[in-house]
Formats: sequence, C-alpha cells, structure tokens
Amino acid sequence: NAGVTQTPKFQVLKTGQSMTLQCAQDMNHNSMYWYRQDPGMGLRLIYYSASEGTTDKGEVPNGYNVSRLNKREFSLRLESAAPSQTSVYFCASSGQGANNEQFFGPGTRLTVL
Amino acid sequence: GQSLEQPSEVTAVEGAIVQINCTYQTSGFYGLSWYQQHDGGAPTFLSYNALDGLEETGRFSSFLSRSDSYGYLLLQELQMKDSASYFCAYGNNRKLIWGLGTSLAVNP
Repeated sequence: NAGVTQTPKFQVLKTGQSMTLQCAQDMNHNSMYWYRQDPGMGLRLIYYSASEGTTDKGEVPNGYNVSRLNKREFSLRLESAAPSQTSVYFCASSGQGANNEQFFGPGTRLTVL
Repeated sequence: GQSLEQPSEVTAVEGAIVQINCTYQTSGFYGLSWYQQHDGGAPTFLSYNALDGLEETGRFSSFLSRSDSYGYLLLQELQMKDSASYFCAYGNNRKLIWGLGTSLAVNP
C-alpha cells in the first residue's frame, strides 16, 4: 500500500498562475483533508471532505477550491496564486475510528513569486 | 472558542525524560491525540487518549485529565532521533483541531 500520495513534491509559480495539487489514498478512507503549514503556525485546515461527494471549509479556505473526485482522490486548486500562498501543503486521510488518526502524504512545497 | 496551548520549545539531553504539556479549551471533546513531525517530513500519529489516564507505547506515554482539560506527552530514554516537533490535537466533528506544536531538541 502506498498510503497517501501527493503530486507534485515541489512547485514554483508566478503570481496569478493557477495550479492543482493532487492527492490520492489507497486505504479506503472516507475522510480527506488539505492543510497548509507555515513556520510557527502549525497545521491549518484549508478544506476537508468527510465523505465522497461532500466538502467543507476549514480555517483558511480563501483562495482555494477543492474537488473530491471519488473516494480515493481529493484535489486542491489555486486559481490565482499569491505570494501569501507560499507554504507546505499536506493532504491527509482518516477512517471512521474515534481517534480520527490521520495519515499524511509527504507534502508539496509551493513557492509563489 | 476552541484552542490548544503547548510550549513552543523544549530542550533535553540524551537519555533524559521530557514532558510536553497541552491544555485545551473546547465545548466538545472526543479525545486528545499526539503527532510527531521531523523537519522536512509529514506528521505521524503517536498516541490517542479518549479517557483519563496514562497510555503507554514503548518509550512514549500520553496522559489525559478531562476534568483539568489537560494532557501531556512523556518521552523517556531520549534519543537524538526524538528531535522533532510534537503536536497535540483534539477531534471535533470529523476534523482535528491542532496546537501550534512543540519543538524538541535533544542534545548529546
């Protein structure tokens, strides 16, 4: 099992460009999440999907859109990138357990110039 | 509101014991989790406490007191590889609310 995979690993964009970050999990998990992590800020939830066909905003959704394509895949789109979106982006998934244990992908390091 | 507080930095020496505290404030609480993250890596799950008391997993233990809205992660026999950031988090409506993390430096 690959667990949670993310592509790309690194990306440099110019202000105003768009891109989609891809995430897939092979653990048959219902819930999937997108976080961003900035130095000293911990993990901040952008969007999450509690089940296939549903998505909800997290703490910092502005400037992002998501698509839960199927149970395996959850993508994050930046329509018009801004320097403030320079960050490390993590995708995670979790099952139905009460502990909400989340499994993380390796992250995408995004720089917006 | 909802929040968690944990120290920003802790320093210890190899072989020692260190305790990382976490206090939380929330109207709904389903348990406290701990995650470890090495520099450049992704967070990985360490432990979960749903009920009061101590949970032990090898060199790591986690404690919860629901009445005090308080928990801690205890790391024993510290090794250099334990240098990492440690996050406490609690579950809320199928998502986790995260603390800002504690950076642990283990020195020789």
